[in-house]
Amino acid sequence: GENVEQHPSTLSVQEGDSAVIKCTYSDSASNYFPWYKQELGKRPQLIIDIRSNVGEKKDQRIAVTLNKTAKHFSLHITETQPEDSAVYFCAAGRLNAGGTSYGKLTFGQGTILTVHP
Amino acid sequence: DTGVSQNPRHKITKRGQNVTFRCDPISEHNRLYWYRQTLGQGPEFLTYFQNEAQLEKSRLLSDRFSAERPKGSFSTLEIQRTEQGDSAMYLCASSSTSGSRTDTQYFGPGTRLTVL
Repeated sequence: GENVEQHPSTLSVQEGDSAVIKCTYSDSASNYFPWYKQELGKRPQLIIDIRSNVGEKKDQRIAVTLNKTAKHFSLHITETQPEDSAVYFCAAGRLNAGGTSYGKLTFGQGTILTVHP
Repeated sequence: DTGVSQNPRHKITKRGQNVTFRCDPISEHNRLYWYRQTLGQGPEFLTYFQNEAQLEKSRLLSDRFSAERPKGSFSTLEIQRTEQGDSAMYLCASSSTSGSRTDTQYFGPGTRLTVL
């Protein structure tokens, strides 16, 4: 089955700096890669996702890059703010040709991001 | 609130007891997922339904675990003869196979189970 590895496990940055979190996956059939943010005591929330037909996607201060050949993808947060502090999870899944998920997501172990004011 | 809801939010039980959790998905979503999350880990897939059909079960789902979605709306997850290793956050998520975001899973707040 799919295995997703996520690094680093903790990341501490100063406000305004950039943060990068990296994930690798094992199943070459995976073609959908969402990122979730989970604040303490709250539900995971989708912040951005990417499908394997594109190499990069950006949404304001957040971007995700995908290298299918190397089977790794990364989350980039620029101009970090204290409210970005949370646990971030990458995940991998599969979509069919119509774009519908085959079902389960396999998650990484999470990265605790702390942004210091 | 039109998001995914779960009840109860917290459950404390003694080892050997049975527990049941409920998940109400976003109303128009036909898919419903159960995940388990332990401290310091990402969510682990347990099972999912499309309408009332259970389409996939993880090997993590031992025979003490059973999930149902009888009418294709809410779902229940039952754990029989609970063990201390069952202590975790149980997350429910839902998604739709139609519309503009057929790939996005929306999570509920979770039910935290503590087995004493």
